[in-house]
Amino acid sequence: AQTVTQSQPEMSVQEAETVTLSCTYDTSESNYYLFWYKQPPSRQMILVIRQEAYKQQNATENRFSVNFQKAAKSFSLKISDSQLGDTAMYFCASTLYNDMRFGAGTRLTVKP
Amino acid sequence: EAQVTQNPRYLITVTGKKLTVTCSQNMNHEYMSWYRQDPGLGLRQIYYSMNVEVTDKGDVPEGYKVSRKEKRNFPLILESPSPNQTSLYFCASSLSTTGGRGEQYFGPGTRLTVT
Repeated sequence: AQTVTQSQPEMSVQEAETVTLSCTYDTSESNYYLFWYKQPPSRQMILVIRQEAYKQQNATENRFSVNFQKAAKSFSLKISDSQLGDTAMYFCASTLYNDMRFGAGTRLTVKP
Repeated sequence: EAQVTQNPRYLITVTGKKLTVTCSQNMNHEYMSWYRQDPGLGLRQIYYSMNVEVTDKGDVPEGYKVSRKEKRNFPLILESPSPNQTSLYFCASSLSTTGGRGEQYFGPGTRLTVT
């Protein structure tokens, strides 16, 4: 069974700085997908970034990028030029086919 | 507007009183799923559906039922709710016919309290 671990319950960063959120996962499969979802105070779940395990190139979406280390089963999220609107819970998730596994989340606060 | 809707948004009920949380999407998505979110546990999948009349258990299906009679609707049924089902519930849908591999679009959430 897949497991997803986020070891940082809370983090903070100054506006305009860079922060990295950690995520590790455990699966015996080779073809899987990884995600980072953002949940702002509104509770809405929003996809930040998606990575296909068979692709070696790290996914990027504007200020968001990942460091995907397949051998180490690590999938960290880097947020550059942090903005106040980035304040949210961030969930790492993985899936093989239909089942989704989420980590416990990291609460990120961006300070002015 | 493309969206996933859930009703009700907030619900307080008593132990044992059957309830249904509705979920509807207007994006013609094949895949739909239900999750519960609890502090310190993240989101856990309850049930998912690949298409009409095709449903399967997720990580925490005990105490829940679902049905998928129409492509757009995927209701979550609690036949005899208990206090440990107090949680925040999310419905989600995805275009991907390979299930959760695609981007999932989430509903706004339903806050359920069982006393």
